[in-house]
Amino acid sequence: LAKTTQPISMDSYEGQEVNITCSHNNIATNDYITWYQQFPSQGPRFIIQGYKTKVTNEVASLFIPADRKSSTLSLPRVSLSDTAVYYCLVGSGGYNKLIFGAGTRLAVHP
Amino acid sequence: SQTIHQWPATLVQPVGSPLSLECTVEGTSNPNLYWYRQAAGRGLQLLFYSVGIGQISSEVPQNLSASRPQDRQFILSSKKLLLSDSGFYLCAWSASPADNEQFFGPGTRLTVL
Repeated sequence: LAKTTQPISMDSYEGQEVNITCSHNNIATNDYITWYQQFPSQGPRFIIQGYKTKVTNEVASLFIPADRKSSTLSLPRVSLSDTAVYYCLVGSGGYNKLIFGAGTRLAVHP
Repeated sequence: SQTIHQWPATLVQPVGSPLSLECTVEGTSNPNLYWYRQAAGRGLQLLFYSVGIGQISSEVPQNLSASRPQDRQFILSSKKLLLSDSGFYLCAWSASPADNEQFFGPGTRLTVL
């Protein structure tokens, strides 16, 4: 399973766009890139998943370059309620076992 | 819609006491089930996963065990708790083993004194 590296923490302000980058140099051909969000004392929540190029949903966008060795989660116009820990994971099928690292602790300020 | 329940929400236990945490899923059949533990300020550690009744795979050797007596029930147990067992225990399910989207329960915060 590929290891991921992401910043420990980030700060932003309400209304700004936040980009969290994750590196996964050893990503395998079959691996997908998945992002989760976790609020204090709650379980993580799936945000978005992608394989290549760009994926967008109602919550976020995920940008994946051609070499797939990194990915960027983009949160448009964050609010205070986006303050959370964001996890980047890579994995593929076959009794998939997700590995959650320490994540990126995002703090959104007024 | 599918829901996942865990209980208890909070538990304080003395060292050496037994443990039983329960997780149930509603609204789906034959889910893949997972137990994770999260230490304070850390990521999640996968403890066990199950692809069917009676089928348990252990990821980390420890004094914990898991059982799946029914399709949508997953139980985490210990015969004798250690201080190091304290943490936030999360149960999750997915529709298939190949699914990266897992749905997590509300968790159980366990403190071992």
